[in-house]
Order: sequence, then structure tokens, then C-alpha cells
Amino acid sequence: DTAVSQTPKYLVTQMGNDKSIKCEQNLGHDTMYWYKQDSKKFLKIMFSYNNKELIINETVPNRFSPKSPDKAHLNLHINSLELGDSAVYFCASRLLGGELFFGEGSRLTVL
Amino acid sequence: AQSVTQLDSQVPVFEEAPVELRCNYSSSVSVYLFWYVQYPNQGLQLLLKYLSGSTLVESINGFEAEFNKSQTSFHLRKPSVHISDTAEYFCAVSAFRGKNFNKFYFGSGTKLNVKP
Repeated sequence: DTAVSQTPKYLVTQMGNDKSIKCEQNLGHDTMYWYKQDSKKFLKIMFSYNNKELIINETVPNRFSPKSPDKAHLNLHINSLELGDSAVYFCASRLLGGELFFGEGSRLTVL
Repeated sequence: AQSVTQLDSQVPVFEEAPVELRCNYSSSVSVYLFWYVQYPNQGLQLLLKYLSGSTLVESINGFEAEFNKSQTSFHLRKPSVHISDTAEYFCAVSAFRGKNFNKFYFGSGTKLNVKP
């Protein structure tokens, strides 16, 4: 039983396309996150939702739009993909005051 | 806001040797501290955490870290490493309270390379 699951694991697409990544957690956590990990392994927080409410938006281009239909799901839609969007995107969830639980990551390659 | 500094980007070490991965943080409020490990092509897994209480925390696979408030450090140590410990290690900090309570800040990572 995967605690935090992301789909797809791999995406390869052309510049200018639109893509979505889905995330689901079965841990009963209230808070979910999207992180971007670049080629140098640096982890940057992008968004966070608490019980379907956006609580963190870290100066991410508005081509990135998160959506949380319920507290167990957090999706990420990216419009007009650019080369610099190539990265691994991690979903994570957290119980109040606890640690982050990460998904396996979704590797996005923009050609 | 909080920040985390991992001074060593790479640490090569021979199998069965001891190792220390350094982590320093800055914060104006009390913090929770974490070490995560990332194996190739995988997500991050929690290695150990400091929330409160004893400043020395241990993991099930022999790692330990000590919270030092005066030096704002949370260094990770293992007395004898194995080949299987080869991975990227990330230190992270989260504010105990305040407007940054929900944010996790990560260091830039330290690649531990254990050689036979």
C-alpha cells in the first residue's frame, strides 16, 4: 500500500505542450505539497494545500496551477511547457507538526 | 524565514569508516529538524528527526544526529558505513510556529559515496 503515490512516473513532451501530474495520499494527512528537484538535486517548495486550501505559493510561474479536489489529492497542471521545467516533481504530505512523506517522484523531460 | 546549509556537497569514504555529514540552520524561532535519504531514482525517505526532548536522535540503521542549539547544527554521524549507505542525504528544517510553520526548507544535499 503506497502512502503517497504519483502518476505518471515519467513524462517526455515537447515545448509548448500542457501536462498534468496527479498525487494521492492514503495517510489521512491534512497538508500536501509539491516540490521541484532540479538536476543538481536542489529541492524547492512550490505549493502547499491544507485541507483543500492553498497556503503556500512560492513565486512559481502562473503556468503552474495546482488543484486539490479533496484533502487526499493534489494535482499539478503545467501549461506551455518550457525547457527549464525539466525536473523531478515530488508530491509530499504531512500531519500537523510532523515530517514530510514523499512520493516516488515524476520525472518531466521537456524537449 | 529558515535556511539550511550543508557545507559538503560530496563525502567520499571507505566502507566501515566513520562519517559525519554537516548541517547548519538559521532560524529566529524554534525548529524541528530532519534528515532525509534519497537513493537513486527514488523519493526521499525520513532517516531521523528531532522534534523535542533528547538532543541525540537515532535511526534504525545506525545513523545518529545531535541537535546543538548554541551552534545551530544538526550533524549526521555513523560510526561504520556500508556500501548500501551510498545515497544523497538532505537536512531539513521546519519552524515550530509562526507564519512559516508549514514550510519545509531543505539543504542542498550531500552525496555520500561509500567505496569498498
